[in-house]
Amino acid sequence: DGGITQSPKYLFRKEGQNVTLSCEQNLNHDAMYWYRQDPGQGLRLIYYSQIVNDFQKGDIAEGYSVSREKKESFPLTVTSAQKNPTAFYLCASSAGQIREGYEQYFGPGTRLTVT
Amino acid sequence: GDSVTQMEGPVTLSEEAFLTINCTYTATGYPSLFWYVQYPGEGLQLLLKATKADDKGSNKGFEATYRKETTSFHLEKGSVQVSDSAVYFCALSTYLGGKIIFGKGTRLHILP
Repeated sequence: DGGITQSPKYLFRKEGQNVTLSCEQNLNHDAMYWYRQDPGQGLRLIYYSQIVNDFQKGDIAEGYSVSREKKESFPLTVTSAQKNPTAFYLCASSAGQIREGYEQYFGPGTRLTVT
Repeated sequence: GDSVTQMEGPVTLSEEAFLTINCTYTATGYPSLFWYVQYPGEGLQLLLKATKADDKGSNKGFEATYRKETTSFHLEKGSVQVSDSAVYFCALSTYLGGKIIFGKGTRLHILP
């Protein structure tokens, strides 16, 4: 079955450490996205990539970094510069087709806790 | 800029009640509109969508009609079930890099 996988589901880190969240898709989608979700809030866009080897900052990119070396993979690194990294992180992908309205498909999420 | 406003929750209903969750949007051009659902501890799932004015999206008994004149995309269901308890997000696509703008979400509780 095609879909998006994120691993691990739960991640615990000490303050000051960088941590990388995995996102893999086998939908053959060109575009991929990272969102952050905090309790009681909507989704905020961190980074997105429309094509391999290219990515753009979203609304809250500070303290995060990404790479897009392969079409199916879009890992997110939460650096020690991120002031409040504890959150639920969601990865999504899209075929990027106007006829589909650019609908996005989401992974199951990774809950990151930094203490 | 483009934005989505949806009714604040939580919304609490009894099983078999009629559901409406209001959603209005501000956008330039002609965005596509979506409703996503999120069950506890999970990612978002696309519930339904509409890509042009007057389109009606429907799925699992839920419906929403793209109303350009009122810039609205209200979610409705005639008879809710306990299993419908979740957070519902209204969203629009901006056609700028395929970005989607989400509302803040509405938490729905259905009592048996």
